[in-house]
Amino acid sequence: AQSVTQLGSHVSVSEGALVLLRCNYSSSVPPYLFWYVQYPNQGLQLLLKYTSAATLVKGINGFEAEFKKSETSFHLTKPSAHMSDAAEYFCAVSEPGANSKLTFGKGITLSVRP
Amino acid sequence: DVKVTQSSRYLVKRTGEKVFLECVQDMDHENMFWYRQDPGLGLRLIYFSYDVKMKEKGDIPEGYSVSREKKERFSLILESASTNQTSMYLCASSTANQPQHFGDGTRLSIL
Repeated sequence: AQSVTQLGSHVSVSEGALVLLRCNYSSSVPPYLFWYVQYPNQGLQLLLKYTSAATLVKGINGFEAEFKKSETSFHLTKPSAHMSDAAEYFCAVSEPGANSKLTFGKGITLSVRP
Repeated sequence: DVKVTQSSRYLVKRTGEKVFLECVQDMDHENMFWYRQDPGLGLRLIYFSYDVKMKEKGDIPEGYSVSREKKERFSLILESASTNQTSMYLCASSTANQPQHFGDGTRLSIL
């Protein structure tokens, strides 16, 4: 069975500050990992994915995440927050070949202060 | 770009009604999924389908059923709506080992 832990429900940063959203996973096989973003009243949009290639993954809007097997982590970072980054962020895990079925974390809301 | 279209953005129904939520994708994806999203609980998988007329239960299938008669369309059915099914419902589609693409969601209120 797979699971995803996103600690905390809300993170607040100042505009221009580093964004760090944490994600830890458990999986019995080498996983695929994803970060999705959800803006208000919209569906989920893929930010980036890890599928067993490079461990540092770059995504859209300046976000990146690093897969660390020893820590079972896949934390999302962005060097400088922008007001438009305010949204809810979900980390998700799947097993390769499992019809791309995802297990999601509970999500974390990012607020950006001017 | 993949387009996943959910038939309604907002829907209000009464307890006991049979409710249909429709989802259509335009990329010939074999996999389709229905989730519900509730504050503090993230997304929970209700049902998914990996082929026409095939379906599998997700984590919370009770009170729901699905139908997939055509590859592009996946319907979620609330047999007898109850107030605890008030939620945001999200549909997604994918092809093998590729990320899921999501619709904009249907916010369903059961009164």
